[in-house]
Amino acid sequence: QSALTQPASVSGSPGQSITISCTGTNSNVGAYNYVSWYQQHPGKAPKLIIYDVSNRPSGVSNRFSGSKSGNTASLTISGLQTEDEANYYCTSYTGTSAPVVFGGGTKLTVL
Amino acid sequence: EVQLVESGGGVVQPGGSLRLSCAASGFTFSTYWMHWVRQAPGKGLVWVSRINSDGSTTNYADSVKGRFTISRDNAKNTLWLQMNSLRAEDTAVYYCGRGSGTYSASWGQGTLVTVSS
Repeated sequence: QSALTQPASVSGSPGQSITISCTGTNSNVGAYNYVSWYQQHPGKAPKLIIYDVSNRPSGVSNRFSGSKSGNTASLTISGLQTEDEANYYCTSYTGTSAPVVFGGGTKLTVL
Repeated sequence: EVQLVESGGGVVQPGGSLRLSCAASGFTFSTYWMHWVRQAPGKGLVWVSRINSDGSTTNYADSVKGRFTISRDNAKNTLWLQMNSLRAEDTAVYYCGRGSGTYSASWGQGTLVTVSS
């Protein structure tokens, strides 16, 4: 069982917006502004799309945005495109001797 | 161009050892934290270990602590993961990543480790 809880799946139609939640505790997500999000297509390496809660790496579409409220972080994808269909993972810093934890992942289906 | 190339994966018996390598190029290796994460077949990503830029700080997931050792040689631009006392549950694709202490902005293509008798 992952330390961070994500919905197993979400879906949306092209052009719509969706939000993926990532729920932790006041020891990880709620305590630090070090939440990251990764996109992973099947058989491919992960790709960083959000870091430090809401920052986008260079080259990542501004259709991806991140936020946090309390112990829950969120990834919003606006203007869904078919190529957004992938698995999405959140991570958080924990401040412990095992300082990084992943969520279980969310499969996004673009209908 | 940032490149990370993992190698060293393969099939090993339970209780055995394996050493993974990650060859880095295209950036100043000695200035970045490095991470290992793994992904069991059909499962999600799991963080395994990290090491800071000069190798003085290392951390491990509870599931591998005492069995795995992360290290680096900044002169050779290489990261390693020494894996001992391997178990069936260590079977996964292992990815190395470059980044900060809390995330990786670049990843290799992964190397498959299979622990089986």
